[in-house]
Amino acid sequence: GQQLNQSPQSMFIQEGEDVSMNCTSSSIFNTWLWYKQDPGEGPVLLIALYKAGELTSNGRLTAQFGITRKDGFLNISASIPSDVGIYFCAGPSYRNNNNDMRFGAGTRLTVKP
Amino acid sequence: EAQVTQNPRYLITVTGKKLTVTCSQNMNHEYMSWYRQDPGLGLRQIYYSMNVEVTDKGDVPEGYKVSRKEKRNFPLILESPSPNQTSLYFCASTLAGATNNEQFFGPGTRLTVL
Repeated sequence: GQQLNQSPQSMFIQEGEDVSMNCTSSSIFNTWLWYKQDPGEGPVLLIALYKAGELTSNGRLTAQFGITRKDGFLNISASIPSDVGIYFCAGPSYRNNNNDMRFGAGTRLTVKP
Repeated sequence: EAQVTQNPRYLITVTGKKLTVTCSQNMNHEYMSWYRQDPGLGLRQIYYSMNVEVTDKGDVPEGYKVSRKEKRNFPLILESPSPNQTSLYFCASTLAGATNNEQFFGPGTRLTVL
């Protein structure tokens, strides 16, 4: 099926360090999304990518959609304590009109002040 | 304020006692979904609905029911809860045709079945 494999599962970093996480799949996705889940809350969309090879930045976040449409990465520069949370890659399945969203297992980020 | 609400936020129940978790959105979204979140497994879709009276199974529908009688509400029903349904549940809604397929999530319902 259209599974998304995220790595690493967890990261413990010092404030100010850069973070890199990635996500791979054996299936092609039309859209590649990154969500963040703050502790005790629901996930919120961070970045959406639509074109193969697309690279986009949003503040300290940089994300790229792989050229094969089967992978992507998310980088966070100069991490701060509020970056703590779980980061999910996601993409719509072909099963229906893109309402069937597949999520990776998540990367849990801990930032030590 | 545009939002998705869920109730209750926390629930402890016993095996076999029917329960309903409500979900409501005020954004006039067509699509709504239910997910469960378990450690190491991420978010797995239970059921989804593309509009009123249109529902379909997701990846893990066993033991759950849903209904979509009104556009804004999408309750999740556990007719006979079992301990393996102990989990964190999220409801989400999406605007049909949204370019980025953005799902707006509720705050979550933590369910414990003893």
